[in-house]
Amino acid sequence: GAVVSQHPSWVICKSGTSVKIECRSLDFQATTMFWYRQFPKQSLMLMATSNEGSKATYEQGVEKDKFLINHASLTLSTLTVTSAHPEDSSFYICSAKKGLAGSVMFYNEQFFGPGTRLTVL
Amino acid sequence: RKEVEQDPGPFNVPEGATVAFNCTYSNSASQSFFWYRQDCRKEPKLLMSVYSSGNEDGRFTAQLNRASQYISLLIRDSKLSDSATYLCVVNRNTGTASKLTFGTGTRLQVTL
Repeated sequence: GAVVSQHPSWVICKSGTSVKIECRSLDFQATTMFWYRQFPKQSLMLMATSNEGSKATYEQGVEKDKFLINHASLTLSTLTVTSAHPEDSSFYICSAKKGLAGSVMFYNEQFFGPGTRLTVL
Repeated sequence: RKEVEQDPGPFNVPEGATVAFNCTYSNSASQSFFWYRQDCRKEPKLLMSVYSSGNEDGRFTAQLNRASQYISLLIRDSKLSDSATYLCVVNRNTGTASKLTFGTGTRLQVTL
């Protein structure tokens, strides 16, 4: 199988606090993980690509100092939303890709975590 | 213009009906194509890949027209359990990464 978990599944926090979301690949090693954000009635938007042992690559318009990504092991990536504000309230979904890092010649299926619903008051 | 465009729907169809969804993409460098299904407040799940030759998986048929940059999904004999949002997704290799771009989805509601 290819199971990806996320923790927590939902979180409510006060404005100004930081929230850490964990993404784990449970039964495979994921050299690459992706973080997406989905606002209501909108599509999933890629925020950043996280490669194990190296810095994340952020999409245009995503602040790297606000959304800190750490991919310290082959099965765990974390996203920390620093100084969260109400406009950061969203559904954050991670995905993990089986396959070799840098293997861009062929698409390797991404397996999605169940998502984390963040509400900032 | 959005990179992947879909009719948001909703499509309300009775059980047993055949329904078709369309999608267009703007980047001709896109290399692989997929339909995902997303239930309310859940993560997307891969439904099927889409090939130029067309491919079928049970009641689902997907088609890709590269010349027109157009992707379709046909669902035959709709079931209540097919009610969900269907996401058109394209993959593009940027040289250093493989990147998925999602459409906003087409909502399907199958009724009795």
